[in-house]
Amino acid sequence: DADVTQTPRNRITKTGKRIMLECSQTKGHDRMYWYRQDPGLGLRLIYYSFDVKDINKGEISDGYSVSRQAQAKFSLSLESAIPNQTALYFCATSDGRTVTDEQYFGPGTRLTVT
Amino acid sequence: AQTVTQSQPEMSVQEAETVTLSCTYDTSESDYYLFWYKQPPSRQMILVIRQEAYKQQNATENRFSVNFQKAAKSFSLKISDSQLGDAAMYFCAYRSAGAGSYQLTFGKGTKLSVIP
Repeated sequence: DADVTQTPRNRITKTGKRIMLECSQTKGHDRMYWYRQDPGLGLRLIYYSFDVKDINKGEISDGYSVSRQAQAKFSLSLESAIPNQTALYFCATSDGRTVTDEQYFGPGTRLTVT
Repeated sequence: AQTVTQSQPEMSVQEAETVTLSCTYDTSESDYYLFWYKQPPSRQMILVIRQEAYKQQNATENRFSVNFQKAAKSFSLKISDSQLGDAAMYFCAYRSAGAGSYQLTFGKGTKLSVIP
């Protein structure tokens, strides 16, 4: 089984709808992240959480909110989706204990807002 | 703010040959970490290799190796004996080593094609 899972894998929604993307991990990592990927732009950080009570905004948090329900679960919400939020969304985790603290990514959710 | 530049949007290599993907970065810090991630058509982001800036020795992982030139702020990825499964987008990423550092800064990626 995958260490980092994301649901759904693909989603099409309409402008103005509320949508939640979910991430679960079995790696036992404390740190979790949400990124979005746009064509030709690489990945950009939306939110990150170092533990259940620690949530922080990233580079592009406007229009998004998150919830850390447990060490293993981190959800991203779009309160009122708009077309320019169409993108590939990745969840990632890291354990915060290694020197390099490398991040491990889920399979991504492709979101289309019409 | 740090920036990461991958100057080759696309590259191709013949199967079994060697290819080098370029990455440069801009930082005023002396301690940091660098990574290469692979994104095949399945979309999964896969960590390929990592390098600590304080280490002079270039990192190696099987057929993948890096050429880390700290003074030039260059971090290229060499893939030897290229295989069809190496076809993917490759992203270079930077992370500061400062206390509380967390954010990966990514380049825009290089699309690698492998020709049979």
